[in-house]
Amino acid sequence: GAGVSQSPRYKVTKRGQDVALRCDPISGHVSLYWYRQALGQGPEFLTYFNYEAQQDKSGLPNDRFSAERPEGSISTLTIQRTEQRDSAMYRCASSPRPGGDSPLHFGNGTRLTVT
Amino acid sequence: EDQVTQSPEALRLQEGESSSLNCSYTVSGLRGLFWYRQDPGKGPEFLFTLYSAGEEKEKERLKATLTKKESFLHITAPKPEDSATYLCAAGGGDYKLSFGAGTTVTVRA
Repeated sequence: GAGVSQSPRYKVTKRGQDVALRCDPISGHVSLYWYRQALGQGPEFLTYFNYEAQQDKSGLPNDRFSAERPEGSISTLTIQRTEQRDSAMYRCASSPRPGGDSPLHFGNGTRLTVT
Repeated sequence: EDQVTQSPEALRLQEGESSSLNCSYTVSGLRGLFWYRQDPGKGPEFLFTLYSAGEEKEKERLKATLTKKESFLHITAPKPEDSATYLCAAGGGDYKLSFGAGTTVTVRA
């Protein structure tokens, strides 16, 4: 079956521009997570949703970052007024149920480069 | 705050040379301990979930074990195709997974 799909695969943008990263989770998965992964590090939590409700956004670095999942399926992570320090791999993951006891299934990520 | 620490950072093995990776965790209300494999340019791929101390899971040459403070991933008689970064993650009472930095394993033929 289809896995988690993220687009675009690569995004290069100029400092100050807004970007939107898209995640299409595995069909039927209730929970959707956004992580950021620096080179040589493990994924770092940003935010997560159960259905359309954002449950925890404590990992978002500042108010330039926001996320939504309006219909409980596809999610968008938006970064406004991008800065060079925002350059990273952004990963989306989904899980069949909420609770922290169910494995996450990851997409291949979006590599964001801010020039 | 939940913390997950993996050691060593890197491990170079000869084909057939068994070894173990360590994952130490400090999590409030552990709900699950997860192991993932990550290949270059790819997202983490789920391997195992462990739920309680004493539990063990096996898959081919990999075996994961769990105590109250640590988890180990044992690689028995590794092959070059086992070369990857292995990530450990702990799911706590806040329903999110906290990841370690990973152990990069290189197996030479």
